[in-house]
Amino acid sequence: DAGVTQSPTHLIKTRGQQVTLRCSPKSGHDTVSWYQQALGQGPQFIFQYYEEEERQRGNFPDRFSGHQFPNYSSELNVNALLLGDSALYLCASSYSTGFGRTDTQYFGPGTRLTVL
Amino acid sequence: AQSVTQPDIHITVSEGASLELRCNYSYGATPYLFWYVQSPGQGLQLLLKYFSGDTLVQGIKGFEAEFKRSQSSFNLRKPSVHWSDAAEYFCAVGERNAGNMLTFGGGTRLMVKP
Repeated sequence: DAGVTQSPTHLIKTRGQQVTLRCSPKSGHDTVSWYQQALGQGPQFIFQYYEEEERQRGNFPDRFSGHQFPNYSSELNVNALLLGDSALYLCASSYSTGFGRTDTQYFGPGTRLTVL
Repeated sequence: AQSVTQPDIHITVSEGASLELRCNYSYGATPYLFWYVQSPGQGLQLLLKYFSGDTLVQGIKGFEAEFKRSQSSFNLRKPSVHWSDAAEYFCAVGERNAGNMLTFGGGTRLMVKP
């Protein structure tokens, strides 16, 4: 049973560019959350997708957007990249119960984004 | 808003010694609580979780944690550390709502001396 997968593994971009990161959840999971982990810090919640809609959002600007597809996979898009966007981007998948409550989140290996 | 504090940034223990990593949280009600471990360049692996019930929870790799409501703490323990336990450990609080958004502490880096 494959776990959470993310692509690409590493990415180098320049300031002002746009980037798209991809995530495939664990089999049986329908909810995807994205986190940003700056060097030496704990992860910070960006947003969560459930039933193809953004269900919850952290304190991140509109430059960060996402999408969830019918097969539950997800993309994270970041526009107008800043140097401060350099970080490890983690995707987590989980299962939401019949009442829509999300269970334990399982993380992928992450995408390392470097902005020059 | 909830918050998580891990007071120890670095901890060094000898192999075979016991380990306790501290975690304190701030949350308006009883939270969901988690411990994750991260090896260099890797994602996060779930060690254990507390949702309700017995306040002493067992996890993988011989780890356990105890929820103490009066102290707002959820400390992680292991009776005998192995060299392979060297990693970064994160405590997290989950909101008791539909999304279960996680708020993480800053992490504790564990080093193991031979």
